[in-house]
Amino acid sequence: QKEVEQNSGPLSVPEGAIASLNCTYSDRVSQSFFWYRQYSGKSPELIMSIYSNGDKEDGRFTAQLNKASQYVSLLIRDSQPSDSATYLCAAGGGTSYGKLTFGQGTILTVHP
Amino acid sequence: DGGITQSPKYLFRKEGQNVTLSCEQNLNHDAMYWYRQDPGQGLRLIYYSQIVNDFQKGDIAEGYSVSREKKESFPLTVTSAQKNPTAFYLCASIRTVTTNEKLFFGSGTQLSVL
Repeated sequence: QKEVEQNSGPLSVPEGAIASLNCTYSDRVSQSFFWYRQYSGKSPELIMSIYSNGDKEDGRFTAQLNKASQYVSLLIRDSQPSDSATYLCAAGGGTSYGKLTFGQGTILTVHP
Repeated sequence: DGGITQSPKYLFRKEGQNVTLSCEQNLNHDAMYWYRQDPGQGLRLIYYSQIVNDFQKGDIAEGYSVSREKKESFPLTVTSAQKNPTAFYLCASIRTVTTNEKLFFGSGTQLSVL
């Protein structure tokens, strides 16, 4: 059974701080990793994808992947109240890239 | 604009009733997926289809059925055998399953039991 586990949260950070979200996965054949942001009652929105070990930066977001440790993280710098949402980590295999296994999500609240 | 259209946005099911959730995409994507999300949980895969007239069970297929008669359409039927159908249902598609590509989501259908 493939599993993706996220730090349980909820996570609360002050505006302007760095929010750190973590995720581990059990299936070593997973090759693609994604972070989605989901507002209540809405569909998930892709914010970062990462496929290779190391860091990937996009604006205020940095994704980190360590395949040896089976660990994925997302850092949000200069957190804003609009970043308050549920963040979903997902892992995909190499045979079918649309079949994703999702973590349970981490609720992030950024307070002014 | 290209995208995935799910309907209805809200759906109510009576006990013993089958209901069908619609999913249509005009992105010319090969593969389509149905995910279920329970409150406070991640998404779980119900069924997926990588080509027309072919589909496979996901992790929680029991009590559900699908068809893929057209590339654009992938309806999901929640049968009376699904005893706990209340959830948020998300349809998704991807252009091709052979490379790393973005998974597009529809806006979702909230299904509740009367």
